[in-house]
Amino acid sequence: DGGITQSPKYLFRKEGQNVTLSCEQNLNHDAMYWYRQDPGQGLRLIYYSQIVNDFQKGDIAEGYSVSREKKESFPLTVTSAQKNPTAFYLCASRPTGWNYGYTFGSGTRLTVV
Amino acid sequence: GIQVEQSPPDLILQEGANSTLRCNFSDSVNNLQWFHQNPWGQLINLFYIPSGTKQNGRLSATTVATERYSLLYISSSQTTDSGVYFCAVDTIKAAGNKLTFGGGTRVLVKP
Repeated sequence: DGGITQSPKYLFRKEGQNVTLSCEQNLNHDAMYWYRQDPGQGLRLIYYSQIVNDFQKGDIAEGYSVSREKKESFPLTVTSAQKNPTAFYLCASRPTGWNYGYTFGSGTRLTVV
Repeated sequence: GIQVEQSPPDLILQEGANSTLRCNFSDSVNNLQWFHQNPWGQLINLFYIPSGTKQNGRLSATTVATERYSLLYISSSQTTDSGVYFCAVDTIKAAGNKLTFGGGTRVLVKP
């Protein structure tokens, strides 16, 4: 079945460490997105990519980095510069064009210990 | 950027009751989706509905794009309908497609 796979589901990080969250899709979608969700809140856009080897900052990009070397993969690195990294991270994808919806993965819950 | 407001923020229902959730947005949109977030955090797409009316079982949605709002109807609610319902929009005027979320409506259906 086609879909988006995020791994791991749970991740613990020590302060000062970088950590990378994986997002893989087999839907042949061109665009991919990373969102962050804090408890009791909506989702906020971190980074997005509309095509391989290109990506743009979203609303809360500080302390995060991404790469898009393959169409299927859009990993997110949470760096030590991110002051409050504990959150739920969701990856999404969609085909290009205006009239297509977004598909989301099942998320990664990151906790800084 | 575009603003998305959902109401009510919280909703408690008795099993079997009907309810309406509302989503207001501040600009023209080319995409509007309703999602249900389950207790494990997964976002389930309910409707892709930039305009018009759609129905899927006990759920239906209506978007009036010219008046910048959308409604999600839950009929004969069940305990499995509990969770958070999000409205999200993508605006034509955005530099690149990107989905903006409302704050959500937290629904609790009691048996």
